Amino acid sequence: NAGVTQTPKFQVLKTGQSMTLQCAQDMNHEYMSWYRQDPGMGLRLIHYSVGAGITDQGEVPNGYNVSRSTTEDFPLRLLSAAPSQTSVYFCASSFRTGRDGYTFGSGTRLTVV
Amino acid sequence: GQQVMQIPQYQHVQEGEDFTTYCNSSTTLSNIQWYKQRPGGHPVFLIQLVKSGEVKKQKRLTFQFGEAKKNSSLHITATQTTDVGTYFCAGGINTNAGKSTFGDGTTLTVKP
Repeated sequence: NAGVTQTPKFQVLKTGQSMTLQCAQDMNHEYMSWYRQDPGMGLRLIHYSVGAGITDQGEVPNGYNVSRSTTEDFPLRLLSAAPSQTSVYFCASSFRTGRDGYTFGSGTRLTVV
Repeated sequence: GQQVMQIPQYQHVQEGEDFTTYCNSSTTLSNIQWYKQRPGGHPVFLIQLVKSGEVKKQKRLTFQFGEAKKNSSLHITATQTTDVGTYFCAGGINTNAGKSTFGDGTTLTVKP
């Protein structure tokens, strides 16, 4: 039981490049989400999903896309990277939407130059 | 939108002193969750409270949920250096599609 797995752990992008951050969970969790955490700050919700085929925007969705084709996977796509997207990205999941604590992945540290 | 305020932002204590962080919501919550994030790590779920006035304990940690379900606290008795990290609360409301709103966290440092 691996929990929530995020890849890569570190990434450097040039402005304008695109990439996909991977997130996979093997706990049959219904709810999955992406957060970004900037230095010394809290967690801001980017996108979330309450089940396969269902996604919705969080508080900071601009510049990011998501999809949820399976229960296990919830990739986050950066369309055209900007320096303002330099951050640590966490994927989190929970067994039941709104009723259980979140299990977080170990994070992806992204730098956009 | 829903806001969750957490105070203080930083707390520095001497090892052995107590520590408390407070979480306040602008709306009535269906549940409150607490997480700990060690420096350089990821948030780890500690506990969830759902009942008005609920109190739960985990060893030296005591969690409370207010009677009005708008505030919560985490109290650590006799802090140890292993308690260092940032403590986040996250409040959920029934009408928020299952999303919990995180406070900005309280960062605890412990001087040996």
